[in-house]
Amino acid sequence: GQQVMQIPQYQHVQEGEDFTTYCNSSTTLSNIQWYKQRPGGHPVFLIQLVKSGEVKKQKRLTFQFGEAKKNSSLHITATQTTDVGTYFCAARVSGGSYIPTFGRGTSLIVHP
Amino acid sequence: DGGITQSPKYLFRKEGQNVTLSCEQNLNHDAMYWYRQDPGQGLRLIYYSQIVNDFQKGDIAEGYSVSREKKESFPLTVTSAQKNPTAFYLCASSMGQGVVALHFGNGTRLTVT
Repeated sequence: GQQVMQIPQYQHVQEGEDFTTYCNSSTTLSNIQWYKQRPGGHPVFLIQLVKSGEVKKQKRLTFQFGEAKKNSSLHITATQTTDVGTYFCAARVSGGSYIPTFGRGTSLIVHP
Repeated sequence: DGGITQSPKYLFRKEGQNVTLSCEQNLNHDAMYWYRQDPGQGLRLIYYSQIVNDFQKGDIAEGYSVSREKKESFPLTVTSAQKNPTAFYLCASSMGQGVVALHFGNGTRLTVT
């Protein structure tokens, strides 16, 4: 199936530092979603990006969709221990199945 | 509260036995999905169903079977043909096709020895 590459796999930060995870595809995406999974929990939908160059913010979280709609990023400013978890992107290819393909996720570890 | 219920949370089976994982939703969602999660592998699609009495294979359907006799229910059977069944299984639902979010259940952790 279509591949969505997500990096890094793990990221350790000190509380208060910033964090960014990236999702990249070789094909144009129709939209991209971001999910957060707390340790021992299940993925929870955060946001969806549809338009080229779109930027959305949720408090300390900033989501971007690339101009070419082939990449996306999630940036967290001034991390807190409550941000700990694995962040997944899930993307749909333009003209493809409506089922999203998930990236492998980035696990964020925040050290107090 | 509306949501998706997966049961049980933990399940243990002996190798060679079939096992069925339950998934029930009261969100009135048309589409339902089964994903498998392994460490470092992300979520991989096993089966999905868009409407009652219809379902499609996902990327890793071999060794699994499903049914969709009711809108609310989408049970997954892990058969003895599945070579590496030990994993975390997540059920999800969505309002339909298109640009919609997935709502996940709490998952079932299956261990086969």
